[in-house]
Amino acid sequence: AQTVTQSQPEMSVQEAETVTLSCTYDTSESDYYLFWYKQPPSRQMILVIRQEAYKQQNATENRFSVNFQKAAKSFSLKISDSQLGDAAMYFCAYRRADQIFQGAQKLVFGQGTRLTINP
Amino acid sequence: GAVVSQHPSRVICKSGTSVKIECRSLDFQATTMFWYRQFPKKSLMLMATSNEGSKATYEQGVEKDKFLINHASLTLSTLTVTSAHPEDSSFYICSARDRRGGLFFGPGTRLTVL
Repeated sequence: AQTVTQSQPEMSVQEAETVTLSCTYDTSESDYYLFWYKQPPSRQMILVIRQEAYKQQNATENRFSVNFQKAAKSFSLKISDSQLGDAAMYFCAYRRADQIFQGAQKLVFGQGTRLTINP
Repeated sequence: GAVVSQHPSRVICKSGTSVKIECRSLDFQATTMFWYRQFPKKSLMLMATSNEGSKATYEQGVEKDKFLINHASLTLSTLTVTSAHPEDSSFYICSARDRRGGLFFGPGTRLTVL
């Protein structure tokens, strides 16, 4: 079974600084998707960024970028120029790319990292 | 972007009663919907996967007779917590998958069982 591990329960960063959240995963699949989701105090899950395993290029979305190391099964999230609105729980998630099986569509989440932004 | 709603957003009920939570995709047809449970300061735990017109697939350890899931249409799935007890108190989140594979989350429902 696939597992996702976030080893940092809490992180904090000064406003405007850069912070990196760690995520590792375990899978025997060669094709899959990785995601970072943000859950602010409202509890609404928001997709931050997505990476396809077959792509070597790291995904970026404005101030958010990932460092995807497939061989090491590592998928870290870098937030540049941190803003107060970035404060939230961040979840790393994995999904198989195999579309044949119904169960392949489900997301496996890590434990989450609570990010605090210090003004 | 695609919108998923949940109703109610909060519900308080007495122990032994049943509670129904609705998950609706407002502007797209959801071929698959997922139900998650989240305890305070914890991650999302998948409870079950439902496809329109077929029986839900439950994760290991989830009682299908206690958590009844119905996916009667391409825009609506319901989760009924039967004979609720205080240990069922939690935050329940649904997500819906559109035909292109996009996944969208609802805002969640906080259930408190007294």
